Amino acid sequence: DQQVKQNSPSLSVQEGRISILNCDYTNSMFDYFLWYKKYPAEGPTFLISISSIKDKNEDGRFTVFLNKSAKHLSLHIVPSQPGDSAVYFCAEGYSGGSNYKLTFGKGTLLTVNP
Amino acid sequence: NAGVMQNPRHLVRRRGQEARLRCSPMKGHSHVYWYRQLPEEGLKFMVYLQKENIIDESGMPKERFSAEFPKEGPSILRIQQVVRGDSAAYFCASSPPGSGSYNEQFFGPGTRLTVL
Repeated sequence: DQQVKQNSPSLSVQEGRISILNCDYTNSMFDYFLWYKKYPAEGPTFLISISSIKDKNEDGRFTVFLNKSAKHLSLHIVPSQPGDSAVYFCAEGYSGGSNYKLTFGKGTLLTVNP
Repeated sequence: NAGVMQNPRHLVRRRGQEARLRCSPMKGHSHVYWYRQLPEEGLKFMVYLQKENIIDESGMPKERFSAEFPKEGPSILRIQQVVRGDSAAYFCASSPPGSGSYNEQFFGPGTRLTVL
């Protein structure tokens, strides 16, 4: 049973345009949502997070949107740069006793073309 | 300040052998987490350890897998009698004392285990 779904395995975007990565979740207990970025042969690196009490969080070129009623999370990258090409994982967690457990999606490979 | 170190980066074992994966957390970090990424899957939580203690091993397979984080030295993930289904990338993450929080988990580069 997949609790976190990233339905697009890949996405290709032109440099300078917007990249939109999507994620759906099924467990309403999640109350923190995160995006990680992963380059080949490296571990995931934290990118941005959002609490369930918010619907938007912005950090530079990266904005995460949360739609709780739809159980949907998205990451917007504007403008996209070739260095953004990587696999992006959405992850969810609890703020309670097991707040160290992250549940990851399968990832979306983003390719930004020059 | 060096990041989380994992070795070996690549490990090849034959079925029935033992695999030992090592993780040295970031300096000053006393919390270690192990995740496994099977092919075409996301990372899945396996175990959370503090120095000399296993806090949560709910994601560990019931048999053949064990983890430790001794007072001195790296954390070790040990897989006995490996099978082909154990082939995966194993990631270690660490966080500072007093956190135990996903927001402060720093990941290592992973160990890619291949079982022949």
